[in-house]
Amino acid sequence: AQKITQTQPGMFVQEKEAVTLDCTYDTSDPSYGLFWYKQPSSGEMIFLIYQGSYDQQNATEGRYSLNFQKARKSANLVISASQLGDSAMYFCAMREGSTSGTYKYIFGTGTRLKVLA
Amino acid sequence: DSGVTQTPKHLITATGQRVTLRCSPRSGDLSVYWYQQSLDQGLQFLIHYYNGEERAKGNILERFSAQQFPDLHSELNLSSLELGDSALYFCASSAAWGLADLKLFGPGTRLTVL
Repeated sequence: AQKITQTQPGMFVQEKEAVTLDCTYDTSDPSYGLFWYKQPSSGEMIFLIYQGSYDQQNATEGRYSLNFQKARKSANLVISASQLGDSAMYFCAMREGSTSGTYKYIFGTGTRLKVLA
Repeated sequence: DSGVTQTPKHLITATGQRVTLRCSPRSGDLSVYWYQQSLDQGLQFLIHYYNGEERAKGNILERFSAQQFPDLHSELNLSSLELGDSALYFCASSAAWGLADLKLFGPGTRLTVL
Protein backbone atom coordinates (compact mmCIF):
# COMPACT_ATOMS: atom_id res chain seq x y z
CA ALA A 1 0.00 0.00 0.00
CA GLN A 2 1.23 3.45 -0.89
CA LYS A 3 2.08 5.25 2.31
CA ILE A 4 3.05 8.59 0.83
CA THR A 5 0.95 10.00 -1.97
CA GLN A 6 1.81 13.00 -4.09
CA THR A 7 -1.03 13.37 -6.54
CA GLN A 8 0.45 16.19 -8.62
CA PRO A 9 3.07 14.87 -11.05
CA GLY A 10 3.69 18.38 -12.32
CA MET A 11 2.72 21.93 -11.55
CA PHE A 12 3.24 25.42 -12.93
CA VAL A 13 3.30 28.61 -10.91
CA GLN A 14 3.88 32.21 -11.87
CA GLU A 15 6.94 33.87 -10.39
CA LYS A 16 6.21 35.67 -7.09
CA GLU A 17 3.03 33.71 -6.49
CA ALA A 18 2.50 31.09 -3.81
CA VAL A 19 2.10 27.42 -4.60
CA THR A 20 0.95 24.40 -2.61
CA LEU A 21 2.34 20.92 -3.22
CA ASP A 22 0.13 18.17 -1.88
CA CYS A 23 1.20 15.21 0.21
CA THR A 24 -0.93 12.70 2.04
CA TYR A 25 0.38 9.89 4.18
CA ASP A 26 -0.81 6.76 5.86
CA THR A 27 0.53 5.38 9.10
CA SER A 28 -0.74 3.77 12.28
CA ASP A 29 2.35 4.75 14.22
CA PRO A 30 1.62 7.64 16.61
CA SER A 31 5.19 8.85 16.31
CA TYR A 32 6.35 9.87 12.87
CA GLY A 33 8.14 12.61 11.03
CA LEU A 34 7.33 14.24 7.73
CA PHE A 35 9.94 15.78 5.45
CA TRP A 36 10.08 17.72 2.21
CA TYR A 37 13.07 17.66 -0.10
CA LYS A 38 13.93 19.58 -3.24
CA GLN A 39 15.84 18.01 -6.10
CA PRO A 40 16.95 20.47 -8.81
CA SER A 41 17.90 19.26 -12.25
CA SER A 42 21.50 19.05 -11.09
CA GLY A 43 20.46 16.05 -9.01
CA GLU A 44 21.37 16.91 -5.45
CA MET A 45 18.81 16.38 -2.71
CA ILE A 46 18.14 19.36 -0.49
CA PHE A 47 16.26 19.13 2.80
CA LEU A 48 13.59 21.83 3.08
CA ILE A 49 11.41 21.33 6.10
CA TYR A 50 10.43 18.87 8.82
CA GLN A 51 7.22 18.32 10.82
CA GLY A 52 6.96 15.95 13.75
CA SER A 53 3.70 14.19 14.50
CA TYR A 54 3.56 15.73 17.96
CA ASP A 55 4.42 19.24 16.87
CA GLN A 56 1.60 21.59 17.72
CA GLN A 57 2.48 24.26 15.22
CA ASN A 58 3.06 24.06 11.51
CA ALA A 59 6.73 24.11 10.57
CA THR A 60 8.14 27.09 8.71
CA GLU A 61 11.55 27.65 7.14
CA GLY A 62 11.87 30.94 5.33
CA ARG A 63 9.60 30.86 2.29
CA TYR A 64 8.62 27.25 3.01
CA SER A 65 5.83 26.24 5.33
CA LEU A 66 4.21 22.93 5.96
CA ASN A 67 0.43 22.83 6.24
CA PHE A 68 0.07 19.90 8.64
CA GLN A 69 -3.45 18.53 9.03
CA LYS A 70 -3.06 15.49 11.22
CA ALA A 71 -6.64 14.30 11.14
CA ARG A 72 -6.65 14.39 7.36
CA LYS A 73 -3.14 12.92 7.23
CA SER A 74 -1.89 15.61 4.95
CA ALA A 75 1.37 17.53 4.97
CA ASN A 76 1.26 20.01 2.13
CA LEU A 77 4.26 22.18 1.31
CA VAL A 78 3.56 25.85 0.69
CA ILE A 79 6.16 27.90 -1.13
CA SER A 80 5.51 31.62 -0.91
CA ALA A 81 6.76 34.20 -3.41
CA SER A 82 7.99 31.62 -5.92
CA GLN A 83 11.33 32.20 -7.58
CA LEU A 84 12.71 30.81 -10.81
CA GLY A 85 15.21 28.85 -8.75
CA ASP A 86 12.35 26.96 -7.13
CA SER A 87 11.86 24.99 -10.34
CA ALA A 88 12.71 21.45 -9.28
CA MET A 89 11.33 18.10 -8.24
CA TYR A 90 9.86 18.06 -4.74
CA PHE A 91 9.60 14.93 -2.63
CA CYS A 92 7.53 14.32 0.45
CA ALA A 93 8.84 11.65 2.83
CA MET A 94 7.80 10.02 6.07
CA ARG A 95 9.74 8.32 8.80
CA GLU A 96 7.71 6.02 11.02
CA GLY A 97 8.33 3.38 13.61
CA SER A 98 10.93 5.20 15.63
CA THR A 99 9.39 4.09 18.91
CA SER A 100 10.34 0.49 18.21
CA GLY A 101 13.99 1.24 17.64
CA THR A 102 13.72 0.40 13.98
CA TYR A 103 11.92 2.45 11.44
CA LYS A 104 10.84 2.84 7.87
CA TYR A 105 11.55 5.79 5.65
CA ILE A 106 9.30 6.24 2.66
CA PHE A 107 9.33 8.74 -0.18
CA GLY A 108 6.54 9.89 -2.41
CA THR A 109 6.85 9.87 -6.18
CA GLY A 110 7.50 13.58 -6.35
CA THR A 111 5.99 16.70 -7.91
CA ARG A 112 7.84 18.58 -10.61
CA LEU A 113 7.38 22.30 -10.16
CA LYS A 114 8.04 24.79 -12.91
CA VAL A 115 8.13 28.48 -12.06
CA LEU A 116 7.22 30.74 -14.96
CA ALA A 117 8.75 34.19 -15.47
CA ASP B 1 30.23 21.89 -0.64
CA SER B 2 27.50 20.05 1.25
CA GLY B 3 29.85 18.54 3.81
CA VAL B 4 28.96 14.99 2.80
CA THR B 5 31.29 13.57 0.19
CA GLN B 6 30.68 10.62 -2.06
CA THR B 7 33.05 8.89 -4.40
CA PRO B 8 33.07 8.20 -7.21
CA LYS B 9 30.67 10.64 -8.85
CA HIS B 10 30.05 8.35 -11.78
CA LEU B 11 30.60 4.64 -12.19
CA ILE B 12 30.05 2.55 -15.28
CA THR B 13 30.34 -1.19 -15.03
CA ALA B 14 29.00 -4.40 -16.48
CA THR B 15 26.41 -6.87 -15.30
CA GLY B 16 27.72 -9.40 -12.82
CA GLN B 17 30.38 -7.09 -11.47
CA ARG B 18 30.90 -5.79 -7.97
CA VAL B 19 31.37 -2.14 -6.99
CA THR B 20 31.96 -0.18 -3.82
CA LEU B 21 30.54 3.27 -3.20
CA ARG B 22 32.09 5.41 -0.53
CA CYS B 23 30.61 8.08 1.69
CA SER B 24 32.23 10.43 4.18
CA PRO B 25 29.72 12.10 6.48
CA ARG B 26 29.79 15.72 7.51
CA SER B 27 32.30 16.31 10.25
CA GLY B 28 30.80 15.35 13.61
CA ASP B 29 27.86 13.40 12.19
CA LEU B 30 27.51 9.88 13.52
CA SER B 31 24.67 8.69 11.32
CA VAL B 32 25.01 7.63 7.72
CA TYR B 33 22.12 6.67 5.48
CA TRP B 34 22.07 5.19 2.00
CA TYR B 35 19.36 5.77 -0.58
CA GLN B 36 18.75 4.59 -4.11
CA GLN B 37 16.98 6.67 -6.73
CA SER B 38 16.01 4.84 -9.90
CA LEU B 39 13.51 5.48 -12.65
CA ASP B 40 11.64 2.28 -11.84
CA GLN B 41 11.57 2.37 -8.05
CA GLY B 42 11.82 6.07 -7.29
CA LEU B 43 13.59 7.02 -4.08
CA GLN B 44 14.18 4.19 -1.66
CA PHE B 45 15.81 4.05 1.74
CA LEU B 46 18.40 1.30 1.87
CA ILE B 47 20.15 1.28 5.24
CA HIS B 48 21.14 3.40 8.24
CA TYR B 49 24.27 3.19 10.38
CA TYR B 50 24.86 5.03 13.59
CA ASN B 51 28.34 5.17 15.07
CA GLY B 52 29.34 1.94 13.38
CA GLU B 53 26.20 -0.04 14.11
CA GLU B 54 23.38 -0.88 11.76
CA ARG B 55 20.18 0.84 12.94
CA ALA B 56 17.62 0.18 10.27
CA LYS B 57 17.22 -1.58 6.98
CA GLY B 58 14.96 -0.53 4.18
CA ASN B 59 14.58 -2.07 0.76
CA ILE B 60 18.14 -3.26 0.51
CA LEU B 61 18.75 -6.32 -1.64
CA GLU B 62 20.73 -9.27 -0.34
CA ARG B 63 23.28 -8.60 -3.07
CA PHE B 64 23.95 -5.25 -1.42
CA SER B 65 25.77 -4.72 1.85
CA ALA B 66 27.10 -1.78 3.76
CA GLN B 67 29.27 -0.95 6.70
CA GLN B 68 30.40 2.04 8.68
CA PHE B 69 34.01 2.16 9.76
CA PRO B 70 35.54 3.52 13.00
CA ASP B 71 36.36 6.80 11.25
CA LEU B 72 32.62 6.97 10.43
CA HIS B 73 32.92 6.76 6.69
CA SER B 74 30.66 4.23 5.08
CA GLU B 75 30.82 1.95 2.09
CA LEU B 76 27.99 0.43 0.11
CA ASN B 77 28.92 -2.76 -1.70
CA LEU B 78 26.85 -3.84 -4.67
CA SER B 79 27.53 -7.27 -6.11
CA SER B 80 26.27 -9.42 -8.98
CA LEU B 81 25.11 -6.22 -10.59
CA GLU B 82 22.05 -6.21 -12.80
CA LEU B 83 20.82 -3.65 -15.31
CA GLY B 84 18.14 -2.63 -12.85
CA ASP B 85 20.73 -1.56 -10.31
CA SER B 86 21.52 1.45 -12.47
CA ALA B 87 20.57 4.38 -10.28
CA LEU B 88 21.70 7.40 -8.36
CA TYR B 89 22.93 6.34 -4.93
CA PHE B 90 22.79 8.98 -2.24
CA CYS B 91 24.44 9.01 1.11
CA ALA B 92 23.21 11.34 3.83
CA SER B 93 24.42 12.12 7.31
CA SER B 94 23.07 13.55 10.51
CA ALA B 95 24.43 14.28 13.93
CA ALA B 96 22.20 11.94 15.88
CA TRP B 97 19.42 9.44 15.46
CA GLY B 98 15.80 10.29 15.94
CA LEU B 99 12.71 11.35 14.09
CA ALA B 100 14.08 14.56 12.67
CA ASP B 101 17.49 13.22 11.88
CA LEU B 102 17.86 13.40 8.16
CA LYS B 103 19.16 16.68 6.96
CA LEU B 104 22.22 16.62 4.73
CA PHE B 105 22.66 14.64 1.53
CA GLY B 106 25.79 14.05 -0.47
CA PRO B 107 25.93 14.75 -4.20
CA GLY B 108 25.33 11.10 -5.10
CA THR B 109 27.08 8.44 -7.13
CA ARG B 110 25.53 7.68 -10.49
CA LEU B 111 25.90 4.00 -11.26
CA THR B 112 25.36 2.72 -14.77
CA VAL B 113 25.30 -1.01 -15.34
CA LEU B 114 25.71 -2.02 -18.97
